[in-house]
Amino acid sequence: EVQLVESGGGLVQPGRSLKLSCAASGFTFSNYYMAWVRQAPKKGLEWVATISTSGSRTYYPDSVKGRFTISRDNAKSSLYLQMNSLKSEDTATYYCARQIQWLDYWGQGVMVTVSS
Amino acid sequence: NIVLTQSPATLSVTPGESVSLSCRASQSISTSIHWYQQKSNESPRLLIKYASQSISGIPSRFSGSGSGTDFTLSINRVESEDFSIYYCQQSYSSLLTFGSGTKLEIK
Repeated sequence: EVQLVESGGGLVQPGRSLKLSCAASGFTFSNYYMAWVRQAPKKGLEWVATISTSGSRTYYPDSVKGRFTISRDNAKSSLYLQMNSLKSEDTATYYCARQIQWLDYWGQGVMVTVSS
Repeated sequence: NIVLTQSPATLSVTPGESVSLSCRASQSISTSIHWYQQKSNESPRLLIKYASQSISGIPSRFSGSGSGTDFTLSINRVESEDFSIYYCQQSYSSLLTFGSGTKLEIK
């Protein structure tokens, strides 16, 4: 059974950093692209980052480019999202997801609140 | 960036009715569109891939169609468990985007 379990969320002040983790199991992690998607309270889905199987290629929307860094450790079947210079508008539930072209498995999500 | 416009924003229907939800892309994206369902306080669930391809475990009343810029998610005879929000997502560009969603609610 495919499982994705996020961790590392919480309350953080504007301008500070936070690192999210996603532990994957039930599939060969190194064979798949992975992604982060977020959802602000009462809002829609927003793609945040994608990483290739080896980690050599990464993709971001302009809203987080230069502030967020996606990475992975295939030996640990783990995905990460380093978030720097956080803003109030980054407040959201963050999901990790397995990406083919579509996102076929999603974690339960982790809440990040950026507030002073 | 490729913009996806979903309509209507809200659709009020009676259980047993059949419905169609629209997703329009700002440029031609072939069939690189995928549909998700999100129930309240749950993670999104993949319903349809590549515009019309079915997903294992998804009820057959869900179907998709379209190519180019116009896409449709159809639900044949809506059931009570179907009342939720539906999103489309494109993968034509490496920079993924989602539509703003259509909320299906009980009339």
